[in-house]
Amino acid sequence: KQEVTQIPAALSVPEGENLVLNCSFTDSAIYNLQWFRQDPGKGLTSLLLIQSSQREQTSGRLNASLDKSSGRSTLYIAASQPGDSATYLCAVYLGGAGTALIFGKGTTLSVSS
Amino acid sequence: DAMVIQNPRYQVTQFGKPVTLSCSQTLNHNVMYWYQQKSSQAPKLLFHYYDKDFNNEADTPDNFQSRRPNTSFCFLDIRSPGLGDAAMYLCATSRDIGALSTDTQYFGPGTRLTVL
Repeated sequence: KQEVTQIPAALSVPEGENLVLNCSFTDSAIYNLQWFRQDPGKGLTSLLLIQSSQREQTSGRLNASLDKSSGRSTLYIAASQPGDSATYLCAVYLGGAGTALIFGKGTTLSVSS
Repeated sequence: DAMVIQNPRYQVTQFGKPVTLSCSQTLNHNVMYWYQQKSSQAPKLLFHYYDKDFNNEADTPDNFQSRRPNTSFCFLDIRSPGLGDAAMYLCATSRDIGALSTDTQYFGPGTRLTVL
């Protein structure tokens, strides 16, 4: 059974710091991996989607990498800002009819000014 | 803007009193999903509709039911809510089942359910 783990569960950094969030998954047979952002009491917003054949994706100050063979992904946030404060969840898609996304519990990021 | 809408945003019910949560979408997507997310936990898929075909996850309690009267609307019915059912309920859509290989799911803002 696929399990997705995110470490750390919470992270506090001062504004301007570069940071890395980690995601690991137990079964490397994935179609893709996504990183989502969730603001308190809100739904999920997709940030980056990495196909299993890709190594990384970039969007603005965000860079996500994928090492499928080792079952790991990282989300790199450059020059963090207070507006980046949120919970970041990673999710994997296994493919096949009847399956959806399998999520980790998330890392809650707090960026102080 | 095209989007996924959930109503109400906050719902309070009493132990054992049936409650219905609503989701609508203007994306014209074929698939609609319901997730349950408890505090500091990962979203957990309850079931999904592929067009009119209902697909229940194996560990979803019988207390949870769903209806999809048309493409745009999907409802989550909790027949007899217990204290353990207090959670955020997230509705999501995707163009197609296979679309998730290249495209994301689109999430609504969620309904926070409180059970007294």
